[in-house]
Amino acid sequence: QVQLQQSGPGLVKPSQTLSLTCAISGDSVSSNSGAWNWIRQSPSRGLEWLGRTYYRSKWYNDYAVSVRGRIIITPDTSKNQFSLQLNSVTPEDTGVYYCVGGVVYMDVWGKGTTVTVSS
Amino acid sequence: EIVLTQSPGTLSLSPGEGATLSCRASQSVPRTFLAWYQRKPGQAPRLLISGASSRATGIPDRFSGSGSETDFTLTISRLEPEDFAVYYCQHYSTSPPGLTFGGGTKVEIK
Repeated sequence: QVQLQQSGPGLVKPSQTLSLTCAISGDSVSSNSGAWNWIRQSPSRGLEWLGRTYYRSKWYNDYAVSVRGRIIITPDTSKNQFSLQLNSVTPEDTGVYYCVGGVVYMDVWGKGTTVTVSS
Repeated sequence: EIVLTQSPGTLSLSPGEGATLSCRASQSVPRTFLAWYQRKPGQAPRLLISGASSRATGIPDRFSGSGSETDFTLTISRLEPEDFAVYYCQHYSTSPPGLTFGGGTKVEIK
């Protein structure tokens, strides 16, 4: 059974960088058939897909237009995990962040991390 | 980008009643790329239906999905107490690659 364990700070100051990590058990971040996503939930924006990383003989990333230029999703094969980095955050980036496994459908979800952007 | 509009915003029903939730897409979408999720307070969303009508593993058969092109429906035949939650539809796009979600329908106890 695939499980995802999230970690990272719950409070980030405006203009700084939000960093979260998701450890995978029961599957591999390098799976040739999987994909590893970050999705957030906020009252103002609802459920919003941010981006993904996946391996198909080489690494690929896709990012949502809304955060492109500020986001980096990075796999770490040595630790079987993947990370989210969101730069130059504003209070609009406040929400619950989920790491999620799935390509077309989001099959496996982490428990979520509540991130507040505030000084 | 395809926009998914869910209706109604809130559905007030009693246990034992049936529920019909709508998801309308701004353009025709392949059934293969349409899914439904359930989210309860304090929990992550859970996949209910993939491919518009296939129940995910462990999902009771009182949940069913239907529809095609721009109109999709999630039906709960008889509401159990644990079914009161928020439901979202989701579309997967190949170009540009990514996911979009509808705004959700809250099913609350009347």
